[in-house]
Order: sequence, then C-alpha cells, then structure tokens
Amino acid sequence: ILNVEQSPQSLHVQEGDSTNFTCSFPSSNFYALHWYRWETAKSPEALFVMTLNGDEKKKGRISATLNTKEGYSYLYIKGSQPEDSATYLCASQTGTASKLTFGTGTRLQVTL
Amino acid sequence: DGGITQSPKYLFRKEGQNVTLSCEQNLNHDAMYWYRQDPGQGLRLIYYSQIVNDFQKGDIAEGYSVSREKKESFPLTVTSAQKNPTAFYLCASTPGVAGAYEQYFGPGTRLTVT
Repeated sequence: ILNVEQSPQSLHVQEGDSTNFTCSFPSSNFYALHWYRWETAKSPEALFVMTLNGDEKKKGRISATLNTKEGYSYLYIKGSQPEDSATYLCASQTGTASKLTFGTGTRLQVTL
Repeated sequence: DGGITQSPKYLFRKEGQNVTLSCEQNLNHDAMYWYRQDPGQGLRLIYYSQIVNDFQKGDIAEGYSVSREKKESFPLTVTSAQKNPTAFYLCASTPGVAGAYEQYFGPGTRLTVT
C-alpha cells in the first residue's frame, strides 16, 4: 500500500448503533498513525496518535487499534450519537518529522 | 484562548492574480503546515516550516510560496502559476518539529479563483 486508504467512504447509522472504520497505511518506515474528527464548519481535531504495534486507545465511546506490521488501524464508535456525525480522517506519519499523509476520510452520519 | 486563526474564511480572486492566505497561531508551536483539500481527496501538504526563516516543500508546492518571518505567522501565497488554485486551504501547527505530535488545525480558507 503506497497511500493511506480509508473505508468505507461514507456510513449512515442510527442512534445507538456501534460502528467501525478502517485505515490502511504503508507499514514500511512507520512512525505514527493519527486519527482526526472533522465536524462540518469546524477545524479537524485530533482523536488519537498511536505509535506502538498492538496499541489500543480509548476516549469515551471511541476507541482505536493499531497493527503496524500489516498496516491497518480500526476506529470504533460504540453507541453512536448524532453528535458523532463528522468526517473521520486518518493520517500516516513516516519518520520523525511531523509530516502526515492523509486518507480521504470516512463520513459518518448518525440519525435519530 | 490559544489557537490558530486563518483569514479570511472565504476569498475570491480573478485568474492571474496572486493571493495571500493568512495563518496565525498563539500556541507557541515551532512547526507550521499548509494543506489543501479538494473534493474526493485527502488533505495534501503544500509547505511546512519547522523553525523561523526555514521551510520545506511538501507534496504539491508548485505554484505556491510561503514565508516564516515570525514564529506565530506562516502566510501562504497562491501565485498565478498555480493551475488549479480553487480549493479549501487548512493551516496547522505542532508543538515540536520531530515526534508523534497531534496537529492543531485552523478553521480554513476557501479560495475561489474565476
């Protein structure tokens, strides 16, 4: 994988559903994997920055896992709420310089 | 309140004109970045700066120029050489120049060139 790829491109779930997204990234020269949430009319905000293979991070109902050997990360949202509606971006960092390569994002819409 | 400001929110220009987008941060961050977003594409890095008076080209630097005369300011000039300047531009910063730092983003500027 040369680029950062995210799937699905968009997702529409109902309130209370749990959901997950995938981010695939180049495993060579891996340094860190970033997840950001981008709500409409707002700035992207960091959710997680992960560096260790097998790492799992959690923030409220949102959690993420990381597999650096095979080059993928999952983002999970438990019990989706309308306020979770946003575009979720992942970005790969290769090398220590804070340059990121972003995926195209997964757009989540949560309805009542 | 610490953060990153970008102005203006919307910018309209005629083809052939240079235009400068503002980015200011009061977070005392060392590194600053400019990204461009186009429909259906991920954020793409235009330029970044790790320290005052120094900057490096990103993946799509052609047709753009930057300066970093002050730590808190990193303006981006879209020149007439940029073939497809209409896009959404995001500025970001990180506390340090090397490490797994989360990026702090501004609200963005939407540039339309006709």
